[in-house]
Amino acid sequence: LAKTTQPISMDSYEGQEVNITCSHNNIATNDYITWYQQFPSQGPRFIIQGYKTKVTNEVASLFIPADRKSSTLSLPRVSLSDTAVYYCLKAAGNKLTFGGGTRVLVKP
Amino acid sequence: EAQVTQNPRYLITVTGKKLTVTCSQNMNHEYMSWYRQDPGLGLRQIYYSMNVEVTDKGDVPEGYKVSRKEKRNFPLILESPSPNQTSLYFCASSYGARSPLHFGNGTRLTVT
Repeated sequence: LAKTTQPISMDSYEGQEVNITCSHNNIATNDYITWYQQFPSQGPRFIIQGYKTKVTNEVASLFIPADRKSSTLSLPRVSLSDTAVYYCLKAAGNKLTFGGGTRVLVKP
Repeated sequence: EAQVTQNPRYLITVTGKKLTVTCSQNMNHEYMSWYRQDPGLGLRQIYYSMNVEVTDKGDVPEGYKVSRKEKRNFPLILESPSPNQTSLYFCASSYGARSPLHFGNGTRLTVT
């Protein structure tokens, strides 16, 4: 079973950059990597998606190296409201595999 | 407003009593899917559907059934719930498996 793994938790401080890396072995040629954010009592919310190299939007950047066996979500200058659980998702055809989630705690 | 609606939000039931959790989306999405979320295990896909009458198993399909008779609805059926199905369930929809997912607000199920 292809696994998608990410750190369980990480702490940061307001204004810092947070980088979360996800490892996804057995990634296939057509697989995309997507990241989601989840707050308590809510469903996950889409942050960013990429296939290779670097993608940036208004809230995050996503780095995917040439071998595509990992991806790194970068959250610039986090605030307290960025405290949440972050999930990477690998789409293998029509079947979706989430990582176990990384709990990010942003401290004042 | 574009949304995925799950019902009920909370459900307590007893072992063996059949139940259905409904999921409806108003975005004309073709892809719909169900997940369970358990502490330490993240989100695991139960079933997915590519379109009407097209469904397939995810990673943890045992003990669950689904149907897709209409594009907007994708109910999750537990024919004979057991305590190990106590979990937080999410429904999601998107234009395709590689498109961003829109999630419902979840259904917390307790089976005693």
